[in-house]
Parts: sequence; structure tokens; C-alpha cells
Amino acid sequence: DAGVIQSPRHEVTEMGQEVTLRCKPISGHNSLFWYRQTMMRGLELLIYFNNNVPIDDSGMPEDRFSAKMPNASFSTLKIQPSEPRDSAVYFCASSSGTGNSPLHFGNGTRLTVT
Amino acid sequence: DQQVKQNSPSLSVQEGRISILNCDYTNSMFDYFLWYKKYPAEGPTFLISISSIKDKNEDGRFTVFLNKSAKHLSLHIVPSQPGDSAVYFCAASARHGGSQGNLIFGKGTKLSVKP
Repeated sequence: DAGVIQSPRHEVTEMGQEVTLRCKPISGHNSLFWYRQTMMRGLELLIYFNNNVPIDDSGMPEDRFSAKMPNASFSTLKIQPSEPRDSAVYFCASSSGTGNSPLHFGNGTRLTVT
Repeated sequence: DQQVKQNSPSLSVQEGRISILNCDYTNSMFDYFLWYKKYPAEGPTFLISISSIKDKNEDGRFTVFLNKSAKHLSLHIVPSQPGDSAVYFCAASARHGGSQGNLIFGKGTKLSVKP
């Protein structure tokens, strides 16, 4: 079990640029989550998918953020255009979706927007 | 408005002693609670959970206690070991809707266990 795989581990970009974060969930897991961690707000849920369908995107900060899950083994979180306040660690997590199944997190992408 | 609060940002404990990490919540609809542990440069990893129908769940050195009337839960680690040094996150969800999607996390408590 390779776990949840996120890429890149670190991303440094300039304000206004497009940023794409990638996630490969654990094989067989049918729920996928994107979280953002900041000092001020802690871990916040941005969006989650069930069977590749977005279920709740109420945590997505604004239209600059978008997420897709084209198939069961891949998801992207895109920020366009990026702003310095988007600097944070972005975590992807997956679960089997049954009632008591915990989330399995990737190691995160540390995003710095200058 | 924080629905899950961990009021102690840090805790220092001597090796072999008990570590007690606390968590309070405000939403009475929460019925499932979890603790995650996070090492630097890694994602959080699941540690232990408890359903609201129970008041205690134990797994080895880790025990979670739930006091629903006080909307309070705690994680006890006995005995504490240096490898337990990490940030511990409390999380809660209202699962009766059938989904664990909206898992609300506290801001974490950094535990340092000194040899």
C-alpha cells in the first residue's frame, strides 16, 4: 500500500501564476478530500468527492480555486490566479467511504506564493 | 467560529508519565470523534476514534474519553514515549447523514515527550 501520493511536495510560484496540485488516492478508496492547513485557520476542508463526484465544495475559498477528479485514481486542485494568501500546506486524503473508515492523508504540498 | 477547540497549543511531558490532551466541541450534532497524529513534513495519521454511544475507547497505550454532557473529549497516552512527540489533532463529524466528509479539525496540540 503506497498510501496517498501528492505532488509536488513543494511549489514556489509568483502571484498571478496558475498552480496545479495533484493527488493519487489509495487504490480502492472511493472518497477523496482536499484540505488546507494554515497557522491561522488550522486544517480546513476545501472539497470532497465520492465516487469521483464532488459532494461538498462549500469550503473552496473562491472561484480562483477549482478541483477535478477525472477518474478514481487521480485528482487535481487548481488555483488560478494564485495570490500570496494562498500560501499554505495542501493535503489530499482518501477513505473507503464506509461509516467508520478514517481518512488517510498524503504528505501534503507546501505552496508558497510570492 | 471554531466548532472544535484545542485550547492548549503545546504540552510537555516526561517520558514514562501520562500525557493528557484535551478537546472541546460546540456542535451537539457531532457523533463521531477522532484523534490524528502528525509528524513534521508528513500528513496526519489516524490514531484512535470514538462514537458518541461510548464514553471510552482504548487501544494499547492510547485511550480516548468522551464526556457528551460537557462536550469534551480527551486523549490519554500512558506511558508516554519520546516517539509520541508530534502534533495531535482532534476531529469531529456528524455521521448520521452517512458521510464522513465534513470532518472538522481542531488546531492541534504539540506534544513534546522528554527523555
